[in-house]
Amino acid sequence: GEDVEQSLFLSVREGDSSVINCTYTDSSSTYLYWYKQEPGAGLQLLTYIFSNMDMKQDQRLTVLLNKKDKHLSLRIADTQTGDSAIYFCAERGGGYQKVTFGTGTKLQVIP
Amino acid sequence: IAGITQAPTSQILAAGRRMTLRCTQDMRHNAMYWYRQDLGLGLRLIHYSNTAGTTGKGEVPDGYSVSRANTDDFPLTLASAVPSQTSVYFCASSTEASSYNEQFFGPGTRLTVL
Repeated sequence: GEDVEQSLFLSVREGDSSVINCTYTDSSSTYLYWYKQEPGAGLQLLTYIFSNMDMKQDQRLTVLLNKKDKHLSLRIADTQTGDSAIYFCAERGGGYQKVTFGTGTKLQVIP
Repeated sequence: IAGITQAPTSQILAAGRRMTLRCTQDMRHNAMYWYRQDLGLGLRLIHYSNTAGTTGKGEVPDGYSVSRANTDDFPLTLASAVPSQTSVYFCASSTEASSYNEQFFGPGTRLTVL
């Protein structure tokens, strides 16, 4: 089946950029997502990218997709303490609404 | 109700007991999902339903059952709870009307089986 992998933990200083990486195995992925989970809450969609795109920018967020290497990254510029959360990478294969989630990366922002 | 609600918020359960986790959405989404979240394992899909009246098995369905009698409700039942089912359970929904199929999540149910 599909597999999505992420590192479990990332620590950055406030004001620095954060880069969270993800690899996936499904070559038929149509959409790839980044979800954010704040403590004690459910997941919320942060951003997504269609598989025919290489990059998507949305304010402080930049998503890069390398389809050849099946690698997705999320860059957060000027990281703030409010960005501390768990970030999940996810992918959706063609023709289905089901999504496969990664293990999540816990981002800790040090003031 | 706005979005997805789950009940109870948390529960401590004796092993062997039966438990139903409730999930209700008011967005008229066709698809609904149940996930469990465990440290280091991320979110794993238990069961899903593409539309009312149909259900399917996810990655970790054993020990769980679901029903989808109508569009809004998607209860998850543990017939005889075991300690390995201690987890945080999230219900989610999505609509085929959206091209990118954003999933909307409930606040979760924290279940402890002793």
